[in-house]
Amino acid sequence: TQLLEQSPQFLSIQEGENLTVYCNSSSVFSSLQWYRQEPGEGPVLLVTVVTGGEVKKLKRLTFQFGDARKDSSLHITAAQPGDTGLYLCAGDISSGSARQLTFGSGTQLTVLP
Amino acid sequence: DAGITQSPRHKVTETGTPVTLRCHQTENHRYMYWYRQDPGHGLRLIHYSYGVKDTDKGEVSDGYSVSRSKTEDFLLTLESATSSQTSVYFCATQGGGARNEQFFGPGTRLTVL
Repeated sequence: TQLLEQSPQFLSIQEGENLTVYCNSSSVFSSLQWYRQEPGEGPVLLVTVVTGGEVKKLKRLTFQFGDARKDSSLHITAAQPGDTGLYLCAGDISSGSARQLTFGSGTQLTVLP
Repeated sequence: DAGITQSPRHKVTETGTPVTLRCHQTENHRYMYWYRQDPGHGLRLIHYSYGVKDTDKGEVSDGYSVSRSKTEDFLLTLESATSSQTSVYFCATQGGGARNEQFFGPGTRLTVL
């Protein structure tokens, strides 16, 4: 069972549309990260959210951490073909010397021109 | 870019043969990780290291072993490869900062026939 559930798994939209990706869990995380991965490459960190209710913006991307630190969302405004990729959320499950993340299964976004 | 390289980038092998994947980093990061990525499963942790000669198991460690004799190198070994180990393998590092941000290598695509 996945500790972090991401939805939707696949999303295909037209250029200019808005979209939201969700990352949900029953567990509380000390922080949550969003990564973007392009074909043939490793994931690249987009943002880290730490405080419950925190909102961070990265150009047309808005990230929100739930008040209870169990869920997060990624909203993209006016999507562009360059936004195409696999978006992964990851929750911090570190304890003691073990610094670990648990990843969601990902959302494959395709933005059509 | 955390200066992470993986070798080989692609490998095809036969069931029952041993395989070793190498991860090399130039950032002097303390923590190193091996993940596998399969469709529908996101990234799953195989093993990780929190220092030279200090390693521990992750979520999907069966059939894999690791070694870290130097800070910069983390090896993943499949003692006797099976078809279920066909996957894309990613190495990641983390410097030990408070936000647990990980940096990923480019991946190794392994096919076990």
